[in-house]
Amino acid sequence: QVQVVQSGPEVKMPGASVKVSCKASGSPYPFTAYSFDWVRQAPGQGLEWMGCISAYNGNTWYGQKFRDRVTLTRDTSTGTIYLELRGLSRDDTAMYYCARDLLEVAAAGNWGQGTLVSVSS
Amino acid sequence: EIVMTQSPATLSVSPGESATLSCRASQSVTVNLAWYQHKAGQAPRLLIYAASTRAAGIPARFSGSGSGTEFTLTINSLQSEDSGVYYCQQYNNWPRGFGQGTKVEIK
Repeated sequence: QVQVVQSGPEVKMPGASVKVSCKASGSPYPFTAYSFDWVRQAPGQGLEWMGCISAYNGNTWYGQKFRDRVTLTRDTSTGTIYLELRGLSRDDTAMYYCARDLLEVAAAGNWGQGTLVSVSS
Repeated sequence: EIVMTQSPATLSVSPGESATLSCRASQSVTVNLAWYQHKAGQAPRLLIYAASTRAAGIPARFSGSGSGTEFTLTINSLQSEDSGVYYCQQYNNWPRGFGQGTKVEIK
């Protein structure tokens, strides 16, 4: 059974950066066969797509509002995906989800448990 | 950027009835559309991909239809555990965007 596990909650000061990790296990296919999305949900808001990374070649795609502040990376030796968000403000307080896309289509089939990032002074 | 618009914002349905949720794309996404269910305190769950294909383990009472710019998610014989917020997402173009969600309430 596939499990996507994210790192634990974070509390950060405004202006700081945060790095969240995501690791999938239990898959019959190699890590590099998949792409991974990051999605966030701020309190009382809907889902917001942040970006996607191909585990195969590290190619990335970002939502327009995150292009200047987000970096997605992957470590093929450990099968881990990372989201780094810089220049945090209170508006970045949200639950951040990592999701692994299906092999056959780019829909997010397996989701992590979410990582709560709180930004407060 | 493709804008996804969902309607209605909220749907209140009695158990056993059907619910019809709509999703419109600002330009064609062919059939590259997914539906997700999101319950409070849980991770979102993929219900439908490729506009009409149920994801693994999703009950047959969930069905999707549509292509191009107009899509529908139908939930038949609604059960109490179907309450939550439902989102559509297009993955035809970058950036991939979600609709604003439809909240389904069980009367």
